[in-house]
Amino acid sequence: AQTVTQSQPEMSVQEAETVTLSCTYDTSENNYYLFWYKQPPSRQMILVIRQEAYKQQNATENRFSVNFQKAAKSFSLKISDSQLGDTAMYFCAFMGATNKLIFGTGTLLAVQP
Amino acid sequence: DAMVIQNPRYQVTQFGKPVTLSCSQTLNHNVMYWYQQKSSQAPKLLFHYYDKDFNNEADTPDNFQSRRPNTSFCFLDIRSPGLGDAAMYLCATSRQGTAEEKLFFGSGTQLSVL
Repeated sequence: AQTVTQSQPEMSVQEAETVTLSCTYDTSENNYYLFWYKQPPSRQMILVIRQEAYKQQNATENRFSVNFQKAAKSFSLKISDSQLGDTAMYFCAFMGATNKLIFGTGTLLAVQP
Repeated sequence: DAMVIQNPRYQVTQFGKPVTLSCSQTLNHNVMYWYQQKSSQAPKLLFHYYDKDFNNEADTPDNFQSRRPNTSFCFLDIRSPGLGDAAMYLCATSRQGTAEEKLFFGSGTQLSVL
């Protein structure tokens, strides 16, 4: 069974600084997708970024980028120029052959002014 | 402009009293999911529909049922809520349910059991 592990329950960063959130996963599949979702206090789940496992190039979306290390089964999220609105719970998620989204336990990110 | 709508936003029920949560979508997506998210935990998939085909997760309690009368609507029924069922319930949709596509989430219903 696939598992997703986020080892940082909470993180804090100063506004305008850069922060990296960690995620590791375990799977025997070769083709799969990885995601980072943001859940602000409103509890609305928002897709931040997505990575296809067959692509070597790391995905980027404006201030958000990932460091995907397939061999190490690692998928970290880097947030550059952190903004107060980035304060949220961040979930790493995996989707493989079952087409079911499996979430990690989340990292609560606080951006300090 | 809301595409996945969950009502109500907050629901309070009594221990053992049946409760129904609703989800509607304007996206005409084939797949609808129900997730349970307890405080400070990851969302957990309860079940999903692909069109009218119901797919239950192996560890979803029998207390939880679902109905999808048409493409747009999906309901989560909790037959006899216990205190442990207090949680945020998230509905999500996907066009075909494959990883190439984005999941669209509703804003959730926060269920309290008294």
